[in-house]
Amino acid sequence: DAGVIQSPRHEVTEMGQEVTLRCKPISGHDYLFWYRQTMMRGLELLIYFNNNVPIDDSGMPEDRFSAKMPNASFSTLKIQPSEPRDSAVYFCASSPRWAGAYNEQFFGPGTRLTVL
Amino acid sequence: GEDVEQSLFLSVREGDSSVINCTYTDSSSTYLYWYKQEPGAGLQLLTYIFSNMDMKQDQRLTVLLNKKDKHLSLRIADTQTGDSAIYFCAESPMDSSYKLIFGSGTRLLVRP
Repeated sequence: DAGVIQSPRHEVTEMGQEVTLRCKPISGHDYLFWYRQTMMRGLELLIYFNNNVPIDDSGMPEDRFSAKMPNASFSTLKIQPSEPRDSAVYFCASSPRWAGAYNEQFFGPGTRLTVL
Repeated sequence: GEDVEQSLFLSVREGDSSVINCTYTDSSSTYLYWYKQEPGAGLQLLTYIFSNMDMKQDQRLTVLLNKKDKHLSLRIADTQTGDSAIYFCAESPMDSSYKLIFGSGTRLLVRP
């Protein structure tokens, strides 16, 4: 398996533009997570899905952010309109339904977003 | 509340041992994890420890767990330049429903 795939790897856009980040989880994984990493705030969980259904979106910063998972092999994180403070590295991760309480997540390489 | 704390930076000389420390808050976490993030890459699981263990050793890595103090440490023996990375500890509280709570990460710099 190729692992978690994210695109684009780098995105530079201007304030006010719409940005869409994409993720393909590992085949067969039931859970998908979106994280944001910045120097100031570290690694933050934005939202996660179980079997394509959003379970917890309490980490989504505001209404400008939305995430969808239309099927088991694809998810998007959209920012509209984008602002300079959204500049960060966005990671997608997936995990299978582990037996017991073990919870290893597999991360993609991230998308580095710069909003000018 | 959920809060995992780590020191931000550690610098060691190649060949020395590195010790990265972490404190967590939720005693219900059954597993505790160490993830490694190399430059320009995503996080990758390095090792983990089950909460009923005090120590786990895996080649150059030793994980120590003090449940009473909610303290976790990662020791890397014979640290190499390839170990330079950011190391995150993480917990998964019982009521978190598959969420991992990550610390802020410790940046390890290995000097030749």
